[in-house]
Amino acid sequence: DVKVTQSSRYLVKRTGEKVFLECVQDMDHENMFWYRQDPGLGLRLIYFSYDVKMKEKGDIPEGYSVSREKKERFSLILESASTNQTSMYLCASSLTGRRTQYFGPGTRLTVL
Amino acid sequence: DQQVKQNSPSLSVQEGRISILNCDYTNSMFDYFLWYKKYPAEGPTFLISISSIKDKNEDGRFTVFLNKSAKHLSLHIVPSQPGDSAVYFCAASAVDTNAGKSTFGDGTTLTVKP
Repeated sequence: DVKVTQSSRYLVKRTGEKVFLECVQDMDHENMFWYRQDPGLGLRLIYFSYDVKMKEKGDIPEGYSVSREKKERFSLILESASTNQTSMYLCASSLTGRRTQYFGPGTRLTVL
Repeated sequence: DQQVKQNSPSLSVQEGRISILNCDYTNSMFDYFLWYKKYPAEGPTFLISISSIKDKNEDGRFTVFLNKSAKHLSLHIVPSQPGDSAVYFCAASAVDTNAGKSTFGDGTTLTVKP
């Protein structure tokens, strides 16, 4: 069974803080993704990575960066959190050649 | 430009009846389509998929139909059960995308009433 875990289920931060969201998968998947989910906007891709140290921008990368130093771990960084980054953040992983993604439980981030 | 659209934000059906969730896409390069189900406070989970070489795929109570000429797919749930109440996301993927990237629709919230 694929397991994708996220470091926090709920997080409250202040405007301007640097925020780290961590994601770990245990199935040796090459591909990892970060999305945010907002009401009426579905899942929007922020960044993805297809290998260690490789990253590509998704549809809404502004205000975010990522890090993938190890295959199992993909971190999302909010350099200076803003209130419009209040959202549900979802991490996912997949095997190369397969289209199905496996999601973590999500982190509900509130920026005050 | 939204490439995957789910035009119905919500759907309510009676237990035992059929639920039909719809999805439209615009990118003709999409060749694989997936449906995910999401309960509150959980991540989406894969439900069923279909390749563009097929027009139907069935898994138990769930069937996905693909109409390539209309760029339309639908998910049928028969019979619907209260436990099916969730948000359903349609996703589409193109063979040449890096890392099997998918584009998601906005989701449809299904409520199945007992």
